[in-house]
Amino acid sequence: EDQVTQSPEALRLQEGESSSLNCSYTVSGLRGLFWYRQDPGKGPEFLFTLYSAGEEKEKERLKATLTKKESFLHITAPKPEDSATYLCAVHGGGSNYKLTFGKGTLLTVNP
Amino acid sequence: DAGVIQSPRHEVTEMGQEVTLRCKPISGHNSLFWYRQTMMRGLELLIYFNNNVPIDDSGMPEDRFSAKMPNASFSTLKIQPSEPRDSAVYFCASSLARGIYEQYFGPGTRLTVT
Repeated sequence: EDQVTQSPEALRLQEGESSSLNCSYTVSGLRGLFWYRQDPGKGPEFLFTLYSAGEEKEKERLKATLTKKESFLHITAPKPEDSATYLCAVHGGGSNYKLTFGKGTLLTVNP
Repeated sequence: DAGVIQSPRHEVTEMGQEVTLRCKPISGHNSLFWYRQTMMRGLELLIYFNNNVPIDDSGMPEDRFSAKMPNASFSTLKIQPSEPRDSAVYFCASSLARGIYEQYFGPGTRLTVT
């Protein structure tokens, strides 16, 4: 069974203070790793898909990286509007469609 | 594109009543997913449709839950009878195809059963 563990559960940063969120996974044959952002009262918003170890993707202040066991979401010089819950999900080789989600990291960026 | 549309956004009902949640996927997407999100369990897949056909309903908690997709642009999730433990946020998501294509989520329906 695919498993995803995200850490920390919650992270509080000052504006401009860079940091990283972790997503550790156990999966039989990774087909894709996804990062989503979820704001309060809204549905998860797709950010990135990573397919293989060594791959990196960037979007504004966010950069996602992937190894064979974990993924990191690096946040550079965050702003208050980056505050949200960040969810990680994996698509394993055992299914053609199922995503297994982690519980998320609640990020708060104070001005 | 308007994205995935869900209705109602909020639903408050009494135990034992029937609840119907609605979803319109993104046009052109042929895969549709219903999820439930709670603090304790996070996001859980309830049922998956491909080309309007239910492929996997193993996540449906019990027979009180049922889902239909009569056409490519509409799906319903029904709970009958509802119970307080069904209180959660229910999301609908769609994607281009099964496989490694990303899923796009709707805004969710917050269900409260008293």
